[in-house]
Amino acid sequence: TQLLEQSPQFLSIQEGENLTVYCNSSSVFSSLQWYRQEPGEGPVLLVTVVTGGEVKKLKRLTFQFGDARKDSSLHITAAQPGDTGLYLCAGAKDSNYQLIWGAGTKLIIKP
Amino acid sequence: DAGVIQSPRHEVTEMGQEVTLRCKPISGHNSLFWYRQTMMRGLELLIYFNNNVPIDDSGMPEDRFSAKMPNASFSTLKIQPSEPRDSAVYFCASRLFGSSTDTQYFGPGTRLTVL
Repeated sequence: TQLLEQSPQFLSIQEGENLTVYCNSSSVFSSLQWYRQEPGEGPVLLVTVVTGGEVKKLKRLTFQFGDARKDSSLHITAAQPGDTGLYLCAGAKDSNYQLIWGAGTKLIIKP
Repeated sequence: DAGVIQSPRHEVTEMGQEVTLRCKPISGHNSLFWYRQTMMRGLELLIYFNNNVPIDDSGMPEDRFSAKMPNASFSTLKIQPSEPRDSAVYFCASRLFGSSTDTQYFGPGTRLTVL
């Protein structure tokens, strides 16, 4: 059972365009994390959101946690080729346990 | 500081052979995770240790898989006998449970190919 649905699964856009990746669930999470994974490497944490409605910015990346803490979005402004990678969302049901992972969004930014 | 270290980085073996993957977590971390990643199934948690004790191994596919953590600085994941469907990238991750960020730090992975 996939508790965290990510969309789109794949996205290929031109440099300079904006994009949004979504992570949705029917479950409530105590926190949600976004990771980026580059080929041949393990996922690397980008951000953790904890509070419903929380918005965090990391340069051109904006992360939002839904008010009900069931969903999240990642928006990239003016995408760069360096943003290419697999973006994974992962939710924590409680602070004591492992993360529940989305299937990932493969993002390609063409120069 | 050294991150999570995994070895080997690549492993090619034949069906039926025993495979042992190794992980050295970040010094001071008290939780360790083994994951498997494939195109079809994404990132799957296999087993989770806290203070060297297995907490949840419900993700271990079957009895052919076993994991140990004899001390805080070393863990192994063993597959015996290996099968072609075990081909995947296996990641080890560690974290400092109870920290404010609760971040999992991943190793570079072991790409396993079973012929």
